[in-house]
Amino acid sequence: GAVVSQHPSWVICKSGTSVKIECRSLDFQATTMFWYRQFPKQSLMLMATSNEGSKATYEQGVEKDKFLINHASLTLSTLTVTSAHPEDSSFYICSASSGSPDTQYFGPGTRLTVL
Amino acid sequence: RKEVEQDPGPFNVPEGATVAFNCTYSNSASQSFFWYRQDCRKEPKLLMSVYSSGNEDGRFTAQLNRASQYISLLIRDSKLSDSATYLCVVNRYNQGGKLIFGQGTELSVKP
Repeated sequence: GAVVSQHPSWVICKSGTSVKIECRSLDFQATTMFWYRQFPKQSLMLMATSNEGSKATYEQGVEKDKFLINHASLTLSTLTVTSAHPEDSSFYICSASSGSPDTQYFGPGTRLTVL
Repeated sequence: RKEVEQDPGPFNVPEGATVAFNCTYSNSASQSFFWYRQDCRKEPKLLMSVYSSGNEDGRFTAQLNRASQYISLLIRDSKLSDSATYLCVVNRYNQGGKLIFGQGTELSVKP
């Protein structure tokens, strides 16, 4: 149980384009989903927290207009990287929680490369 | 200063060695503590939670010292398959249950 999927698993795009990443909880309802970013040799950094049906809460330094998060249902959250640039190239990982803040189930991640 | 700090790596050890990872956290409001394991280009996976009384899971032993704000992980009889990056993680409930990750310590177990 407690499986979280992400799609796509990797994407290569041109600078200036937008990329949407989906995060789905497959066998449970996720009241909260988290989006992280991880640059090479660095740890995961929380970008934003989203609760179903409400606006996401962004961490300091994360541009909400650049990283659009939608959590329209209890099983799906999307992250859209708008007008992507090479410096946005990173490993984006989502996690989902059904209640306890201690328990987050991680998706397999999406590797974004912006040319 | 980072909120969660770990030993800089990498640790290169032979099979069968015992290896210890150290971690300190700066926010005394931290209430839950974990060790995660992350393989190259994969998502992190929960290895074990850490309790004040200390806890053990097979070859892995985790300790927490709240007074010193210090967390440790001991791996005994290390295996090749233990090679990964080990992440020290704390959860601060007073900020909605955010997981704060350390930068990780890379372990490489050699035959």
